[in-house]
Amino acid sequence: QTVVTQEPSLTVSPGGTVTLTCASSTGAVTSGYYPNWFQQKPGQAPRALIYSTSNKHSWTPARFSGSLLGGKAALTLSGVQPEDEAEYYCLLYYGGAGVFGGGTKLTVL
Amino acid sequence: QVQLQESGPGLVKPSQTLSLTCTVSGGSISSGSYYWSWIRQPAGKGLEWIGRIYTSGSTNYNPSLKSRVTISVDTSKNQFSLKLSSVTAADTAVYYCASKLWVWGQGTLVTVSS
Repeated sequence: QTVVTQEPSLTVSPGGTVTLTCASSTGAVTSGYYPNWFQQKPGQAPRALIYSTSNKHSWTPARFSGSLLGGKAALTLSGVQPEDEAEYYCLLYYGGAGVFGGGTKLTVL
Repeated sequence: QVQLQESGPGLVKPSQTLSLTCTVSGGSISSGSYYWSWIRQPAGKGLEWIGRIYTSGSTNYNPSLKSRVTISVDTSKNQFSLKLSSVTAADTAVYYCASKLWVWGQGTLVTVSS
């Protein structure tokens, strides 16, 4: 059973910078896992932010960026806004099958 | 801009088959090298990837659900569907359909209960 691990919760101050990570139980995450990142606010469907490690959608705010960091996929928010408070999920692909991480609850305080 | 809408019974009895349909508007389901996905989320819990189907018809499924899941496409209706057999209470969740995981439907709650 493949497990994708994210920080359960993080807190950041408005205007600050925070990095969320996504680790694989199989070892280092590479671009071949096609990391995706999603944002979900209460009562809403998830919204795609990043695909294939670092590619942004047309609607993704510039303050969001994706990368590989220390063997993990990473989502960095620079200049955090109050509206960024949400749950964030990563997704990795293993031979065609996707596995979501457990999610990171980001609090902006 | 493609939009997606899930539909189907909100209540399914244990051991029966859950059937959901996702209707695609604003674009053709058979155009381009797209894939169409199903994801679910139990109340208060995280997302679970169920599976996807490519426009070619090839599929990938979550290994833990593979024996019970079928995803299919009906190009004539611009729809794709999910069937999950032998359901139990553990299958109660909000079910989402998505286009390449880029655009998501609003989700539909399916409760498994007698």
